Amino acid sequence: AQKVTQAQTEISVVEKEDVTLDCVYETRDTTYYLFWYKQPPSGELVFLIRRNSFDEQNEISGRYSWNFQKSTSSFNFTITASQVVDSAVYFCALSEALGNTGFQKLVFGTGTRLLVSP
Amino acid sequence: EPEVTQTPSHQVTQMGQEVILRCVPISNHLYFYWYRQILGQKVEFLVSFYNNEISEKSEIFDDQFSVERPDGSNFTLKIRSTKLEDSAMYFCASSDRTGGQNSPLHFGNGTRLTVT
Repeated sequence: AQKVTQAQTEISVVEKEDVTLDCVYETRDTTYYLFWYKQPPSGELVFLIRRNSFDEQNEISGRYSWNFQKSTSSFNFTITASQVVDSAVYFCALSEALGNTGFQKLVFGTGTRLLVSP
Repeated sequence: EPEVTQTPSHQVTQMGQEVILRCVPISNHLYFYWYRQILGQKVEFLVSFYNNEISEKSEIFDDQFSVERPDGSNFTLKIRSTKLEDSAMYFCASSDRTGGQNSPLHFGNGTRLTVT
């Protein structure tokens, strides 16, 4: 069965600190996709990134970076120079294929609440 | 940027009443989903829908739930007789015609359902 573990329930940092959110996943699929979503206090789910299982290249987008390591089944997310606006719950998710339909079903972790104080 | 639109943003209903949650997916998307998030918990898959039929549903999606695409734009989730434990944020999502694992789900802003 698919599973995503975000062991950090809540992280508090002060503005400008770097912070890494951990994500460990389990799957038997050889092809899968990993995602990060941000949920600000307003409640919506904001897509941040997806990564396929064949691409272990790290990715950087502005202050955000992602480290995918298949050997440890981890897909960690780092925010550099955090800002108050980064305060949100961050969800890691794994895409499970639904048969041969090409459909996907996301399995979410329990989320990490990030609090960035001024 | 096109977005998934959900209405209402907040719905309060009494136990036993029927509710319909509405969603307008992104216009060229063909795959639709409902997810649920009980307050403070993780987001859970409810159902996926394609070509006017359900393609997959979770154990949560029992006979009290149904989905429909009544016209070319709306996608609805109906709960026939609400229970207190149905109180949650309900997210609609859609993905594009590639439909595969590579296409990210675009989520709506959610409907917060409160059952009293």
